[in-house]
Amino acid sequence: IQLTQSPSFLSASVGDKVTITCRASQDIGRFLAWYQQKPGKAPELLIYAASTLQSGVPSRFGGSGSGTEFSLTVSSLQPEDFATYYCQQLKSYPRSFGQGTKLEIK
Amino acid sequence: EVQLVESGGGLVQPGGSLRLLCTASGFTFSIESMNWVRQVPGKGLEWLSYISSSSSSIYYTDSVKGRFTISRDNAKNSLYLQMNSLRAEDTAVYYCAREPGSVPAGVPEYNYYYMDVWGGGTTVTVSS
Repeated sequence: IQLTQSPSFLSASVGDKVTITCRASQDIGRFLAWYQQKPGKAPELLIYAASTLQSGVPSRFGGSGSGTEFSLTVSSLQPEDFATYYCQQLKSYPRSFGQGTKLEIK
Repeated sequence: EVQLVESGGGLVQPGGSLRLLCTASGFTFSIESMNWVRQVPGKGLEWLSYISSSSSSIYYTDSVKGRFTISRDNAKNSLYLQMNSLRAEDTAVYYCAREPGSVPAGVPEYNYYYMDVWGGGTTVTVSS
């Protein structure tokens, strides 16, 4: 299953609302997770089951979608949110990640 | 504190072998599934392998099938990745990641499919 994220790069300002899209090559139901990765660090789970916020993740992060179209939204960007974001499908093996979306400060 | 720590990375020649170790602490390792994921410097994440809590289910991505072997020792809270016939393109940071080991009855499965704890990674460099 191929996952395609868009955009690959996103430039935004603190306080902006941004949305990242993840498109699956076939129906994966709600078997989708989102991760955040900062330079030199391991990925961190943000959202699972397409829309469930992981414990401790700020409520400005939100996920939606099912089937083949998913999105990650950050309602009001904070300085610590500038990072790379990955979607991952866990419907079938091999489990695949999207290519990543790098969110940069404008 | 829930923690995963990888070790065993290093410099190895093409065609060589390396065994990675992931040591778990702060949770009941024996009931959780585990994964290996790697990341080439500057590139994206690549899922490599999965092992269920009892080792009864094991999966690999095609690029490592037949060369890499995942295993675990629940008595030692340890996850392993035996890597043989290493190639330059295997150069990467290797992460282990925890996944819930079971789904409660009557609950949608997708609520228990995610990787919620990651180690800090260990670097493997394949070069002559």
